Amino acid sequence: AQSVTQPDIHITVSEGASLELRCNYSYGATPYLFWYVQSPGQGLQLLLKYFSGDTLVQGIKGFEAEFKRSQSSFNLRKPSVHWSDAAEYFCAVVRGGSNYKLTFGKGTLLTVNP
Amino acid sequence: SQTIHQWPATLVQPVGSPLSLECTVEGTSNPNLYWYRQAAGRGLQLLFYSVGIGQISSEVPQNLSASRPQDRQFILSSKKLLLSDSGFYLCAWSWGSGKNIQYFGAGTRLSVL
Repeated sequence: AQSVTQPDIHITVSEGASLELRCNYSYGATPYLFWYVQSPGQGLQLLLKYFSGDTLVQGIKGFEAEFKRSQSSFNLRKPSVHWSDAAEYFCAVVRGGSNYKLTFGKGTLLTVNP
Repeated sequence: SQTIHQWPATLVQPVGSPLSLECTVEGTSNPNLYWYRQAAGRGLQLLFYSVGIGQISSEVPQNLSASRPQDRQFILSSKKLLLSDSGFYLCAWSWGSGKNIQYFGAGTRLSVL
């Protein structure tokens, strides 16, 4: 069965600093990978996705993620964090093609200090 | 463009009372629909999903049920709520060749007291 691990439950960074959120997946075949962001009390918003092709994908709000098959990772990055980026971030995976059920990590809560 | 609506946004119910949460999608047809529950520190748990009218798959045995009476309507119900049913409930949809991409509603905060 597929699984997603987000090793960091909570990360604190200063505004303007760079950010990397880690995500590791366990899945034998080609995965489809996603990052979602959730502000407090809100639904989830899709930041970016990877299906195939270029392993560095760009998303909204200045985020990017890199798929590394050899490391089974899909880490999310941002070069300069803004206070409005404070939220919870979820990595998710689904089997490419016919299975539409996402498996989510438990999330990483990001706090941004002024 | 497609939009998804969930209501109510917040709900406080006594133990043993019934539940009905509604989710509707606009601007698309024949979507896949999903109900998730989110508990603190546990991420998102898929409860039910539906690929068509009257077609419901349950992921986790529980006190809840789901129905899809119309193509773009998905309802989460319970006959008698338990304390453990408290949580944040999210509806999502996906469609077409991008059915792997799920789009979420704003959620319902349910408190069972």
